Amino acid sequence: NAGVTQTPKFQVLKTGQSMTLQCAQDMNHNSMYWYRQDPGMGLRLIYYSASEGTTDKGEVPNGYNVSRLNKREFSLRLESAAPSQTSVYFCASSAQLGGAETQYFGPGTRLLVL
Amino acid sequence: EDQVTQSPEALRLQEGESSSLNCSYTVSGLRGLFWYRQDPGKGPEFLFTLYSAGEEKEKERLKATLTKKESFLHITAPKPEDSATYLCAVQGGNNDMRFGAGTRLTVKP
Repeated sequence: NAGVTQTPKFQVLKTGQSMTLQCAQDMNHNSMYWYRQDPGMGLRLIYYSASEGTTDKGEVPNGYNVSRLNKREFSLRLESAAPSQTSVYFCASSAQLGGAETQYFGPGTRLLVL
Repeated sequence: EDQVTQSPEALRLQEGESSSLNCSYTVSGLRGLFWYRQDPGKGPEFLFTLYSAGEEKEKERLKATLTKKESFLHITAPKPEDSATYLCAVQGGNNDMRFGAGTRLTVKP
């Protein structure tokens, strides 16, 4: 099993450009998440999807859109990139174990917006 | 609002020098408290889930404990390969997951 995979690994954008970050998981998990991680701050939830066909906003959704394409894939789109969106983006999927959702993370996408 | 605070921000230990990392939290209706390890340039790797006060879990040199207000990650006789950032997270009754900023651990040989 590959677990959670993310593409691309690294991307440089100019302000105003758009791009889509891809995420796929092969663990048959229902829930999937997108986080951003900035220096000195914890992981912050952008959007999540509790099941195929549903998405919900997290703590920092502004400037992002998501699509839960099927059970395996969950993409994050930046319509008009801004320098404030320079960050490392992590996708995760989760399984419910013992009453809590245990999350498994991908390797991350490093995004630089100039 | 759920909050997670980790201390210290950074910790430098000599190989074999045991210590503890702290995670203080406030949450409405704790469903689980999680510990993750994150190596530079990689995604967080799951270590433990704790569900209720008094619970303890161990894995190799790591032991996680939980009270109603905080969790500790005890590291016994650490080795250089234990160097990483350790993240704490809580999931509350509203299912939101909240992460702390992490403790960066360096173990010198």
